[in-house]
Amino acid sequence: DSGVTQTPKHLITATGQRVTLRCSPRSGDLSVYWYQQSLDQGLQFLIQYYNGEERAKGNILERFSAQQFPDLHSELNLSSLELGDSALYFCASSGRQLRNTGELFFGEGSRLTVL
Amino acid sequence: AQSVTQLGSHVSVSEGALVLLRCNYSSSVPPYLFWYVQYPNQGLQLLLKYTSAATLVKGINGFEAEFKKSETSFHLTKPSAHMSDAAEYFCAVSEMDTGNQFYFGTGTSLTVIP
Repeated sequence: DSGVTQTPKHLITATGQRVTLRCSPRSGDLSVYWYQQSLDQGLQFLIQYYNGEERAKGNILERFSAQQFPDLHSELNLSSLELGDSALYFCASSGRQLRNTGELFFGEGSRLTVL
Repeated sequence: AQSVTQLGSHVSVSEGALVLLRCNYSSSVPPYLFWYVQYPNQGLQLLLKYTSAATLVKGINGFEAEFKKSETSFHLTKPSAHMSDAAEYFCAVSEMDTGNQFYFGTGTSLTVIP
């Protein structure tokens, strides 16, 4: 158990819909990362938050948005869903400091299927 | 900018044989390097990490990796493969100066043949 909790584990929805994925980081971790894993794209970095502020953006689509709340949990919002958005979405947390040599701790992922 | 290249998206070995998974990185500053493993329907778990201490790093489940600066490599090895080693393996690089951004390779799927 990594200590990172993601909900829901599975989600099936239709094209055009909007979903929200939730992540609770390890206790005390201030950084939260979101990754998308699909068969053809591998593990793609989406976005990173540190203590409520956006720190880095990767290949995140404009239809996607995220935020980190004061209690440090994070949500990834996916809207106007397309078939190609079907993937496994991982949340990871690390570091009680912005700069550290620690590793990422991954949740078990949220599997999104868009029909 | 950092990047990670994993040579071979699929590797097959016989049970008991040597496992060698290749990882090369590019980084403008001394990097921190990681190997993660992902079992089916699970998240990624840390196997081992290099953070500028000993160049030969030992991890869990008998895996180890050697940091070779001259070759910009961080290959993962295990002397004797076990059936339970079948999984997806990811190499990752991080630079402290960039506020802990992590960059992952495309992964190598390891198959162990009985």
